[in-house]
This record gives sequence, C-alpha cells and structure tokens, in this order.
Amino acid sequence: EDKVVQSPLSLVVHEGDTVTLNCSYEVTNFRSLLWYKQEKKAPTFLFMLTSSGIEKKSGRLSSILDKKELFSILNITATQTGDSAIYLCAVGRGGATNKLIFGTGTLLAVQP
Amino acid sequence: NAGVTQTPKFQVLKTGQSMTLQCAQDMNHNSMYWYRQDPGMGLRLIYYSASEGTTDKGEVPNGYNVSRLNKREFSLRLESAAPSQTSVYFCASSITGPGNTIYFGEGSWLTVV
Repeated sequence: EDKVVQSPLSLVVHEGDTVTLNCSYEVTNFRSLLWYKQEKKAPTFLFMLTSSGIEKKSGRLSSILDKKELFSILNITATQTGDSAIYLCAVGRGGATNKLIFGTGTLLAVQP
Repeated sequence: NAGVTQTPKFQVLKTGQSMTLQCAQDMNHNSMYWYRQDPGMGLRLIYYSASEGTTDKGEVPNGYNVSRLNKREFSLRLESAAPSQTSVYFCASSITGPGNTIYFGEGSWLTVV
C-alpha cells in the first residue's frame, strides 16, 4: 500500500532556530514529491522535487529529495513566527492524472 | 486572480440531509479534485476528474457523488449526510499529467449533526 510518512508530527521552536522536517515515502511509480504550507485555509505550494540531490531553495526554505532512500527534507532557517503552519508532503504517481498521496503533516509552532 | 473558488465556506447539516459543494477554477486546468481533511488523517482524495466528461473514485468515495459540469466546474454531492462526513473539504485543480502542481481552494467546513 502506498504511503507517505512525515516526522515529527509536531514541533515547537523559538524564532531564529533552524528546523528540518522529514518526509519518507513508499509509492509505486513515483513521479514527484511536493511540499505545501497550510496556515488557516488552503495549502499553498512550496516546492516540487523530481530529481535526487538537487536542492530547491526559496528564501529561508530549502528542500532536497533522495530517491534512493525514498525521503525528502524541508529545511527552514532563521525561523519566524510567520512560519508557524502545518507543512504537508505529497507524492505524485505516474499515470494520466496527478493524484497526490498526502502525509498527515507536521505542525510547526514558532514562538517569539 | 480567483484561482479555485468553492462554496459554501461553512455549512451545518442534519443527518440524512443532502447538499452540494460547488467548485470552480479559472486557470483553464483540465484536472480537478475533491479532498477531505481530518485530524490525524491528512488530505484524502474523494473523487477526481482528469478531464471534462470523466470522473473517477479516489481513496474515500463512499457517500459522495461528483459532477464535472464543464471544464471550470466540479461539484461534490452528499446525498444523505452522516456525522462521519464532518470534515473540511478542499477542491483543487491542476494541469493534466503527473508531476504538475495542484492548486487548492480555501476549503469548506462541513458539520453534520
């Protein structure tokens, strides 16, 4: 059975800390791995990763994929209170449509 | 830009009542999806539509029906609501094909009492 597992389930840090969120997967016919940030409403897209070892970076956020070990990490440096959110990892499989399998998410709380 | 718009945002239903969640996207996407999100369960796919005129079951289709009315609109219907269907529902859309980013609506909070 396909699955996506995120860890930790929740995390509390202080502003300025660096955090690493983990996502491991067992999915047949893997095509892509996506990270989303969910605050109060809709998940918003952060990164899509398809190739191993190539870091994607956006400001203080970065992510990398290891297709051999079947995991990805999302790093956030110099965290701010605005980074508080649920971070969702999703894996896309091959096929005609882009059905994503989501992990349960990591709840990040950044304290002032 | 509106993106993905879904209505209503909040709804309370009595057990056995029916209702339809509406979704429309203005990004000319071929594929549309309905997910539900529950605590500890993540986002689970209910139904999807790869293109206009087609619909397929996702992980948790029981108790739901969908209609892809046209390329823009994809509705989700609860024929006889049950308390287990209390959830947050998200509509989403994407360009057809694997590996393309999915864009989400802002969610519909449904409570069945």
